Amino acid sequence: NAGVTQTPKFRILKIGQSMTLQCTQDMNHNYMYWYRQDPGMGLKLIYYSVGAGITDKGEVPNGYNVSRSTTEDFPLRLELAAPSQTSVYFCASSYATHRVDSPLHFGNGTRLTVT
Amino acid sequence: RKEVEQDPGPFNVPEGATVAFNCTYSNSASQSFFWYRQDCRKEPKLLMSVYSSGNEDGRFTAQLNRASQYISLLIRDSKLSDSATYLCVVSSNTGTASKLTFGTGTRLQVTL
Repeated sequence: NAGVTQTPKFRILKIGQSMTLQCTQDMNHNYMYWYRQDPGMGLKLIYYSVGAGITDKGEVPNGYNVSRSTTEDFPLRLELAAPSQTSVYFCASSYATHRVDSPLHFGNGTRLTVT
Repeated sequence: RKEVEQDPGPFNVPEGATVAFNCTYSNSASQSFFWYRQDCRKEPKLLMSVYSSGNEDGRFTAQLNRASQYISLLIRDSKLSDSATYLCVVSSNTGTASKLTFGTGTRLQVTL
């Protein structure tokens, strides 16, 4: 059982380039999330999805886009990368919306550097 | 005031010690509470959910005080392997989906 799988693990982008961070889960979870974590900061929610075809903005959505065409996949798109997007990105999924019996399952993370 | 506040530490304790972390939250309507553990350069993993009556899992005890809006994590008989950052996470209902707010974490270093 793979859980939540993110690719790539590391990436270096030049300013202005674009890329897609891939995320897939095999737990049949409806809820999926993208977070970013900057040094010394808590995780910040970028986008989330409550099911296939439905996405919504989190706290820090600017500069990112998402899609949710299937239950399993939730890719995050960076257009026109900027140094401020240098961060560690985590994808996560959950069965329900944050009940005590439904924790988040995280992927291994993607370390992105924009120079 | 931050929505979720934690002492960043680091807490340096010897093996076998008991250590406690506190976390305060500002939204009185918060519904669910969790402690996650994050090892260096790894993803967060659920340590334990926090139930209203408090709960224990082996050497770990979590408590919730809704009146004072804080949760705590107690680790007894600390092991070297407990060295990590502990994240306090609070869930509030925003309609479509609950909003999870993460604290910045408290770093624990257990030494010989």
